[in-house]
Amino acid sequence: DAKTTQPPSMDCAEGRAANLPCNHSTISGNEYVYWYRQIHSQGPQYIIHGLKNNETNEMASLIITEDRKSSTLILPHATLRDTAVYYCIVSSTNSNSGYALNFGKGTSLLVTP
Amino acid sequence: DTAVSQTPKYLVTQMGNDKSIKCEQNLGHDTMYWYKQDSKKFLKIMFSYNNKELIINETVPNRFSPKSPDKAHLNLHINSLELGDSAVYFCASSQGGKQGYTFGSGTRLTVV
Repeated sequence: DAKTTQPPSMDCAEGRAANLPCNHSTISGNEYVYWYRQIHSQGPQYIIHGLKNNETNEMASLIITEDRKSSTLILPHATLRDTAVYYCIVSSTNSNSGYALNFGKGTSLLVTP
Repeated sequence: DTAVSQTPKYLVTQMGNDKSIKCEQNLGHDTMYWYKQDSKKFLKIMFSYNNKELIINETVPNRFSPKSPDKAHLNLHINSLELGDSAVYFCASSQGGKQGYTFGSGTRLTVV
């Protein structure tokens, strides 16, 4: 699986958009980009994933560059409860048997009042 | 109802003991996993099962043995516990590939 690079920490003011970048320059054609977050002392929470098109759900938007070498997770209106460690993970998936997630260090996002 | 539930939430035990952590999911997913989060907060996969069949078996000591009686359960047995086994263990499930995982809330194991 391709490796990812994320900034170790970011700050965001409450109510503003949080844009979390991720570099995955060695991504291969069959690898998806996944985003998870882990709020302190809780289990990781799935946010969103994509292959090459931009994706949006009720939690966030995922913007993937055309060359797929980087992506940005956007939390449109960050709240204090969005303070967490955000993980960008690249993984090839097997539709029948599941897949492994290789978590890195992630980005620690602090949302401030 | 909790989608992925683990028991116990906390486990404190002495070195050399044998312990088990149970995991159940009510999502109807085919694949279940065990992850370990160490003191440095790195999350690493240990095992995955698909329909009771072992799929992923990372390099973990033989003292760790997963058991899946059915596709809704994946238990983790640990023999001869060591200090270095202290960590938070997370169970998760997914519906095959291309979908996100659902994680449990974790079991904090402390070996003294």
